[in-house]
Amino acid sequence: EDQVTQSPEALRLQEGESSSLNCSYTVSGLRGLFWYRQDPGKGPEFLFTLYSAGEEKEKERLKATLTKKESFLHITAPKPEDSATYLCAVQASNYQLIWGAGTKLIIKP
Amino acid sequence: DSGVTQTPKHLITATGQRVTLRCSPRSGDLSVYWYQQSLDQGLQFLIQYYNGEERAKGNILERFSAQQFPDLHSELNLSSLELGDSALYFCASSVGGVTTDTQYFGPGTRLTVL
Repeated sequence: EDQVTQSPEALRLQEGESSSLNCSYTVSGLRGLFWYRQDPGKGPEFLFTLYSAGEEKEKERLKATLTKKESFLHITAPKPEDSATYLCAVQASNYQLIWGAGTKLIIKP
Repeated sequence: DSGVTQTPKHLITATGQRVTLRCSPRSGDLSVYWYQQSLDQGLQFLIQYYNGEERAKGNILERFSAQQFPDLHSELNLSSLELGDSALYFCASSVGGVTTDTQYFGPGTRLTVL
């Protein structure tokens, strides 16, 4: 069964303290892996798409990487405004998106 | 701002009633997706339309239905509402229908069933 698991469920960091969020997946025929950011009560905001193992993408303090079994979202020197829930979604061979439950990131000043 | 618009922002109604949620996709996008997000659950995919035709179906209840009109806007109809239908409903759009196109989300409609 296709599955996406995100860990940890929640992560509290001090401002400037770098860390990583994990998205592990078991799907048949990965077509793409997506990272989104969601603020409370708002729609998810697109961050990155990764298509193949070894691929990396960066945007400001965020860097996403992909292996054959998981993806990491690395956050470097985070600021309070990076606080949000980060969602991972995987597109399987049937083109449907399978969503993880998200990691709630809290950055304390 | 993603370019996807949803109306209304908030909706409060009673059990047993019927409501309609509306979504306008980004200019040029042909696909519209509907999602439900409850407090204790993640994003649940409901249904996708591509250029007016149903393309994919997820965990959509029989009490729910959707359609996409010739101008590409979409409506999600929820009927015989139950307390458990209270949730955020998101619409997303993408350029294509069966690709790895990125989905861009609207601001959502918060539905409260009393």
